[in-house]
Amino acid sequence: QKEVEQDPGPLSVPEGAIVSLNCTYSNSAFQYFMWYRQYSRKGPELLMYTYSSGNKEDGRFTAQVDKSSKYISLFIRDSQPSDSATYLCAMIRLNTGNQFYFGTGTSLTVIP
Amino acid sequence: DGGITQSPKYLFRKEGQNVTLSCEQNLNHDAMYWYRQDPGQGLRLIYYSQIVNDFQKGDIAEGYSVSREKKESFPLTVTSAQKNPTAFYLCASSIVPSWTSAGSYNEQFFGPGTRLTVL
Repeated sequence: QKEVEQDPGPLSVPEGAIVSLNCTYSNSAFQYFMWYRQYSRKGPELLMYTYSSGNKEDGRFTAQVDKSSKYISLFIRDSQPSDSATYLCAMIRLNTGNQFYFGTGTSLTVIP
Repeated sequence: DGGITQSPKYLFRKEGQNVTLSCEQNLNHDAMYWYRQDPGQGLRLIYYSQIVNDFQKGDIAEGYSVSREKKESFPLTVTSAQKNPTAFYLCASSIVPSWTSAGSYNEQFFGPGTRLTVL
């Protein structure tokens, strides 16, 4: 079983829709949870990060962590064509030298 | 401008050849990482280094080698022992984390990637 599971999609939505992206994980020692956005043929860039359980909002993006269910989500409101990218979840366990564990990424297309 | 550069952007290799991918950063980060990205598999860690002249194997180090002679540079060599090297290779760097206080976290910054194709 992979430590981090993510549905690869692809996901296709109309412009303005609310998008929900999710990851599950198996190790309860994960403490930091990140979402990266990767445009085609580019390196990933950090979108949001959260520490432990709870919600964090940044503009149209909301990151949610439920440690009891080992489940994290990224919500995108009022989706735009420029949001079309692959979204990768990532997480870190403490005391592992900043080693990241990535999901497989979900490919999102927002149709104008 | 501070950042991470990778070269070349595209690289073609014949079977049996070794090739070296370049990664340079001017962020003054101590830690550097190499990942491989394949469709449907996400990012897998090949090697990482937290300090000059020291590096550690990641999950898929077989068939790869690295060096860390300078803080700014972390080249990756894909050797002929790597049986399936065609992939997108990503280099990243970060400040070495301090875990002495709750909430410590250090972002990994990624380079633009090198796409390696074996002919």
